[in-house]
Amino acid sequence: GAGVSQTPSNKVTEKGKYVELRCDPISGHTALYWYRQSLGQGPEFLIYFQGTGAADDSGLPNDRFFAVRPEGSVSTLKIQRTERGDSAVYLCASSLFQRNTGELFFGEGSRLTVL
Amino acid sequence: GENVEQHPSTLSVQEGDSAVIKCTYSDSASNYFPWYKQELGKRPQLIIDIRSNVGEKKDQRIAVTLNKTAKHFSLHITETQPEDSAVYFCAAPGAAGNKLTFGGGTRVLVKP
Repeated sequence: GAGVSQTPSNKVTEKGKYVELRCDPISGHTALYWYRQSLGQGPEFLIYFQGTGAADDSGLPNDRFFAVRPEGSVSTLKIQRTERGDSAVYLCASSLFQRNTGELFFGEGSRLTVL
Repeated sequence: GENVEQHPSTLSVQEGDSAVIKCTYSDSASNYFPWYKQELGKRPQLIIDIRSNVGEKKDQRIAVTLNKTAKHFSLHITETQPEDSAVYFCAAPGAAGNKLTFGGGTRVLVKP
């Protein structure tokens, strides 16, 4: 595709519910990243995929967060038992380069609001 | 892990003046330093980057300088224009290189 696509663009949910956020990276980009951005702050790393495998998931805040990339392209970030503190913009980025040696192309983000 | 500090958090300049944003990093193994620009409600976009084997890089009105000894790097914007108004983020990868750690951002306002 022309760029990184994220859906939904906005998601409002109630505390305790389960949500899935989808990322469709640029075709051919093997590296895929999830970041979380709270208002007025920089993006915070969550997880990095190289191909199908999670190369680094050290940024996932707890076991309520999980991400998959089963075919090495589309990725889904899954959040169980959502809490109000999970409210943020979830950014996905893809890159041709491994290990952060080149440009990350970000999507527009999925804004999650937990009521 | 890597720790990136960015200053100032806000910067207001008159159109035509220069703007300078500074970042420090903690992991001496970091070897790649990008700068991203994020306009209100938009995605972050790379504007310039520098690798650790050079000390300065320029691209039209923007430049980045790197001091590896002091572990800091700076973004310089000359002849600022209203369209330069945005939030700017610096970042560094740390030793493992698996994740970019971003600074807290600098909100730049260019006053006409």
